[in-house]
Amino acid sequence: QLQLQESGPGLVKPSETLSLTCSVSGGSISRSSYYWGWIRQPPGQGLEWIGNMLYRGSSYYSPSLKSRVTISVDTSNNQVSLKLVSVTAADTAVYYCARSPGSRWGQIDYWGQGTLVIVSS
Amino acid sequence: QLVLTQSPSASASLGASVKLTCTLSSGHSTYAIAWHQQQPQKAPRFLMNLNSDGSYNRGDGIPDRFSGSSSGAERHLTISSFQSEDEADYYCQTWGTGIVVFGGGAKLTVL
Repeated sequence: QLQLQESGPGLVKPSETLSLTCSVSGGSISRSSYYWGWIRQPPGQGLEWIGNMLYRGSSYYSPSLKSRVTISVDTSNNQVSLKLVSVTAADTAVYYCARSPGSRWGQIDYWGQGTLVIVSS
Repeated sequence: QLVLTQSPSASASLGASVKLTCTLSSGHSTYAIAWHQQQPQKAPRFLMNLNSDGSYNRGDGIPDRFSGSSSGAERHLTISSFQSEDEADYYCQTWGTGIVVFGGGAKLTVL
């Protein structure tokens, strides 16, 4: 059974960099053609797509976040990472790791449990 | 512009059948979507993908009381025999050229 587990600091200061890791178990990131990515949900609000990438390098990012976001895949540790620079209070959200099948790169079929990140001084 | 529109709320009696609708924006009526369920204080869960021809595939472990159907630009999620654990937020989701889009979500409650 595939499992995705997010981890990282729960508190980040404004203007700093938010860094999260998603550990994947029950399947190899590099074995199949899946996209791995991130979605976030501000408190009390809906879901916002951040971006995703294929382990071989093809990637997509939300136009509104593209200038600040980097998603990377570490196949040796079976992990997916998210970096968001120059954060503000508007980046406070629960961040979810997610998987999409390669044949339908944008269709999410597995979600992580999520991790709350608060941006505050 | 690729947009998904959902009515923000719906309610149903326990044991009843309930249908939620997600509407694709003009020019995107052939797009497939996915439905996701988010129970209170939990992560979203993939329910199914749904094609424009009405064919669908449920995710792992999703009960068969969840089904999908399509009509033009509308994509429907039907829950037959609504149960208390089905009280949740439901999001539709699709993707286009380099972008993934979510609907605003629909809160489904017990009458």
